[in-house]
Amino acid sequence: KAGVTQTPRYLIKTRGQQVTLSCSPISGHRSVSWYQQTPGQGLQFLFEYFSETQRNKGNFPGRFSGRQFSNSRSEMNVSTLELGDSALYLCASSFDFVGPKGGELFFGEGSRLTVL
Amino acid sequence: GENVEQHPSTLSVQEGDSAVIKCTYSDSASNYFPWYKQELGKGPQLIIDIRSNVGEKKDQRIAVTLNKTAKHFSLHITETQPEDSAVYFCAEGGGSQGNLIFGKGTKLSVKP
Repeated sequence: KAGVTQTPRYLIKTRGQQVTLSCSPISGHRSVSWYQQTPGQGLQFLFEYFSETQRNKGNFPGRFSGRQFSNSRSEMNVSTLELGDSALYLCASSFDFVGPKGGELFFGEGSRLTVL
Repeated sequence: GENVEQHPSTLSVQEGDSAVIKCTYSDSASNYFPWYKQELGKGPQLIIDIRSNVGEKKDQRIAVTLNKTAKHFSLHITETQPEDSAVYFCAEGGGSQGNLIFGKGTKLSVKP
């Protein structure tokens, strides 16, 4: 069973540009979550999509957006890039809710974004 | 907002010693507490989790304890090995946030 696949793995952008990251969840998983990982800040939740609808959202500015397609694949977009957006962006998938009655959250290896 | 505090941020132990990482949380409704291990260049991977109706769970050299009254939970690794070296994250879920909230991580180094 293939894991969570993220593309691209590495990318370099300049301030003001925009970027789109892609995530293919584990087959059968309908929930896709995105996290931003920076040194010292851990994993910060961006948003979660379930069946093409944003189900949950973290405290990030509107420059960060996402979407999910009917095949559960997801993309996130960051517009007007800032230096502080340099980070590892992690995608994670699960069958549904993660919790005591739900399933496990599986992470991809991330897309490392560097903003110059 | 709800958050998870994790300590220590770095931990260095000798091979064979035990390592303990502690987390505290604030959301009383949280009822799911997973621990993730992140090796260099990889995404986090679940190593053990505990539900709120259980006080302790063990899986070989790894154990997690939960004190819901005090709102803290801990990861215990016994007989550490160099391959245990990684960043460990605690998280809480099932609460009002609807998603997992992670601590800031502990970088564990096991010296041979």
